[in-house]
Amino acid sequence: DVKVTQSSRYLVKRTGEKVFLECVQDMDHENMFWYRQDPGLGLRLIYFSYDVKMKEKGDIPEGYSVSREKKERFSLILESASTNQTSMYLCASSSVSGRVYEQYFGPGTRLTVT
Amino acid sequence: SQQGEEDPQALSIQEGENATMNCSYKTSINNLQWYRQNSGRGLVHLILIRSNEREKHSGRLRVTLDTSKKSSSLLITASRAADTASYFCATDSLKLVFGKGTKLTVNP
Repeated sequence: DVKVTQSSRYLVKRTGEKVFLECVQDMDHENMFWYRQDPGLGLRLIYFSYDVKMKEKGDIPEGYSVSREKKERFSLILESASTNQTSMYLCASSSVSGRVYEQYFGPGTRLTVT
Repeated sequence: SQQGEEDPQALSIQEGENATMNCSYKTSINNLQWYRQNSGRGLVHLILIRSNEREKHSGRLRVTLDTSKKSSSLLITASRAADTASYFCATDSLKLVFGKGTKLTVNP
């Protein structure tokens, strides 16, 4: 089974801090994604990557950056955390082969910025 | 964007009853997927239906797709308390676009 892991389940950071959220998948998937989920807004795509060192902006990239130095790892970076970035962050991966575009999700990181 | 919108936003039923959730989308698709999310957890893929399919089954799940109406439905038969979760549809392409979900509560 595909396993997608995220570095933390819960995280509390202060305003202005630099925050790293890490995601690792073990199925050699080409594509990786970062979403945030907020009540009433559903899932919104922040960034995605379809290959190592490649990245594409999603719908809400402002205030975030990403890094993909290795195929299995996709990091989301909050350069200077703000309270409006308090949210549930979900990482996902998918492969272009096999089940077309089925995404496998990690358990999520609930980030609170105070 | 090809956003799916689920309906109803919330649904509460008794164990053993069937639950039906609907999804509407705006533009042509190649496939549509349904996902489940248990409270505070990641999403789990349930089923994918391609645009040339009209109905698909997986265990107690039945999905229909009507491309002329740009809509899909997810039916869960003989529901169980463990089916309590939020359900999302997502329309195709590399970059899936999720709706806001239907929150299903199955009361024992």
